[in-house]
Amino acid sequence: AQSVTQPDIHITVSEGASLELRCNYSYGATPYLFWYVQSPGQGLQLLLKYFSGDTLVQGIKGFEAEFKRSQSSFNLRKPSVHWSDAAEYFCAVKAGGGNKLTFGTGTQLKVEL
Amino acid sequence: NAGVMQNPRHLVRRRGQEARLRCSPMKGHSHVYWYRQLPEEGLKFMVYLQKENIIDESGMPKERFSAEFPKEGPSILRIQQVVRGDSAAYFCASSPPAGGEYNTEAFFGQGTRLTVV
Repeated sequence: AQSVTQPDIHITVSEGASLELRCNYSYGATPYLFWYVQSPGQGLQLLLKYFSGDTLVQGIKGFEAEFKRSQSSFNLRKPSVHWSDAAEYFCAVKAGGGNKLTFGTGTQLKVEL
Repeated sequence: NAGVMQNPRHLVRRRGQEARLRCSPMKGHSHVYWYRQLPEEGLKFMVYLQKENIIDESGMPKERFSAEFPKEGPSILRIQQVVRGDSAAYFCASSPPAGGEYNTEAFFGQGTRLTVV
């Protein structure tokens, strides 16, 4: 069965610092991978996705992620964090028919000014 | 093109009442997915529907929960005889028909926050 692990429940970074959020997946075939962001009381917004091709994926808001098959990872990065990036971040893998997704438990990002 | 619309945004029900959550997919989307987010947890898949068909309900609790996506109108997630443990955020997502290897992503609504008192 598919699974997604986000080992960091909470992360705090200073504004302007770099960020890396970890995501490991378990999936038998070629995975389709996603990162979503959720602000408090809001829905999920897609940051970026990986289906195939270039393993470094660019997303919105200056985020990028790198797919590493050998490590079963899809870590999210941003070179310089802004205070408005404070939110919860979810990694997900397409898990079956249609666009059914399996989500990780999320990483709560706090940004210190 | 409006996004995925969920209503109500907030719903309060007393134990034993019924809760009906509605989801209108994006225009042109015929696939709907429901997820539940419990406090401090990620989203858990509940059910995947196409118009008039349930495709995958592997995440649905066996009792009290049902979902439909009629030919006309929104998708409905129905919870009968609600209990406190049903308090959660329920998210709906929609996508176009899947085709080939290059599926698009699912687009999420703002969610319905259900509180059972």
